[in-house]
Amino acid sequence: GESVGLHLPTLSVQEGDNSIINCAYSNSASDYFIWYKQESGKGPQFIIDIRSNMDKRQGQRVTVLLNKTVKHLSLQIAATQPGDSAVYFCAEANNNDMRFGAGTRLTVKP
Amino acid sequence: NAGVMQNPRHLVRRRGQEARLRCSPMKGHSHVYWYRQLPEEGLKFMVYLQKENIIDESGMPKERFSAEFPKEGPSILRIQQVVRGDSAAYFCASSPASDGIQYFGAGTRLSVL
Repeated sequence: GESVGLHLPTLSVQEGDNSIINCAYSNSASDYFIWYKQESGKGPQFIIDIRSNMDKRQGQRVTVLLNKTVKHLSLQIAATQPGDSAVYFCAEANNNDMRFGAGTRLTVKP
Repeated sequence: NAGVMQNPRHLVRRRGQEARLRCSPMKGHSHVYWYRQLPEEGLKFMVYLQKENIIDESGMPKERFSAEFPKEGPSILRIQQVVRGDSAAYFCASSPASDGIQYFGAGTRLSVL
C-alpha cells in the first residue's frame, strides 16, 4: 500500500534498447493498476492502466504486464528514447483507495 | 479542457506562518486527492475529497493540516504553523470517478525557512 520513504532504485539503459520496470504491489484485493511517468519538476503523467481481469495491455511503445499470482506489475518500453528518462511509479487501486509504489528512475544513455 | 491547476507553483514561508495550497480539478471532476512528495521519494497519500466531503484523510497529520473542497471554488490544502519538515512538493490529482485515472497537477513546492 503506502509508499515508503525509500531512495529511488534506478535503471539505466542505452537509447534504442527496451526497458523493463518492475513493481511489486501489496494488496491482493487491488483490481486496477496504473503506471505514471514523472519528469523532473513536473507532476505525474498517466501512461497506461490495466484492470485485474487482464494480464497484458499494450499502448504506443509501452506494454503493461500483470501477474496477480505473485502480485507483480511491469512496464515495458520499446526502443527507449532520451525523452523517456523520468521516474516511473506504479499505482494499485481498490475502490476509493489508490496507493503508489516508491518509483524507479529510468536514465537513458545516448 | 484545462488540466489540473495548482497554485502557487512555489511557496516560501517562514516557520510559524500558514501555507495555503490551491487546486482546481479538471472540468467535470468531483474527486480530488492530495499527495506529498519529498525529493527522490514516492508520492505519499494525504487526503481524498469529493465535493464538500472528506472521504479519506488517513494520510494527513491530525494537527496543523486541513483540507477542503467547497461547492464552489478550488480545493485548499492548509498547513498552519509550518515547520521546516513541511518543506516538500504537494501534488493534487483529480478524477471523474472514485476508481478512475487520477490526473495530476504540476504541484506546489513549499519551502519553509
